[in-house]
Amino acid sequence: QVTLRESGPALVKPTQTLTLTCTFSGFSVNPSTGMSVSWLRQSPGKALEWLAVVDWDDDKYFRTSLRTRLTISKDASKNQVVLTMTDMDPVDTATYFCARTVVVSQLYYFDHWGQGTLVTVSS
Amino acid sequence: SYELTQPPSVSVSPGQTASISCSGGKLEEKYVCWYQQRPGHSPVLIIYQDTKRPSGIPERISGSHSGNTATLTIGEAQAMDEADYYCQAWDSSTGVVFGGGTKMTV
Repeated sequence: QVTLRESGPALVKPTQTLTLTCTFSGFSVNPSTGMSVSWLRQSPGKALEWLAVVDWDDDKYFRTSLRTRLTISKDASKNQVVLTMTDMDPVDTATYFCARTVVVSQLYYFDHWGQGTLVTVSS
Repeated sequence: SYELTQPPSVSVSPGQTASISCSGGKLEEKYVCWYQQRPGHSPVLIIYQDTKRPSGIPERISGSHSGNTATLTIGEAQAMDEADYYCQAWDSSTGVVFGGGTKMTV
């Protein structure tokens, strides 16, 4: 059974750095599985927005508009993927999801999602 | 940056068929997938690689792709199908791209 769970602070202040951890089970992110893990977010009442992905071979891709603020890393031994976002702003208030990511024929898609964690940016 | 366009809303009567379009430049060169997101829940993958259904997704949900438009079709609409639906593709320059979402009312 594949599960993912996001954890991190519910409230951050403007200009602070957000660190979120995705802990997953039921699969591995390694060359034998070819699986990746992504982070996405959804502001209240808005559309889904992809943020970043770390591939099984440790390649990383980022949302162009947020590239300078994001880092993503994986710890395969702990089955965890960590996202950091610097210089948080109230517009970054959103529910942040991690998702198992399948890569097939120039398509990245998300076949299992965590429940999401709401992050509010406010002083 | 690459964009996908969906209608903001669609309404369907119970038992009828609903279709949601997703359009984008050179979309014929890309695979499309679809997600259903019920209120207060995480998205669920319902179609991938244009037409494939993950296990557990009923056959009345189907996807198609012709030219620059992909279409999600939901047959025999039920109250449980009320949700937001998002199309998604991958662009080599932009990365993962989602459409703006379509709110379906039954």
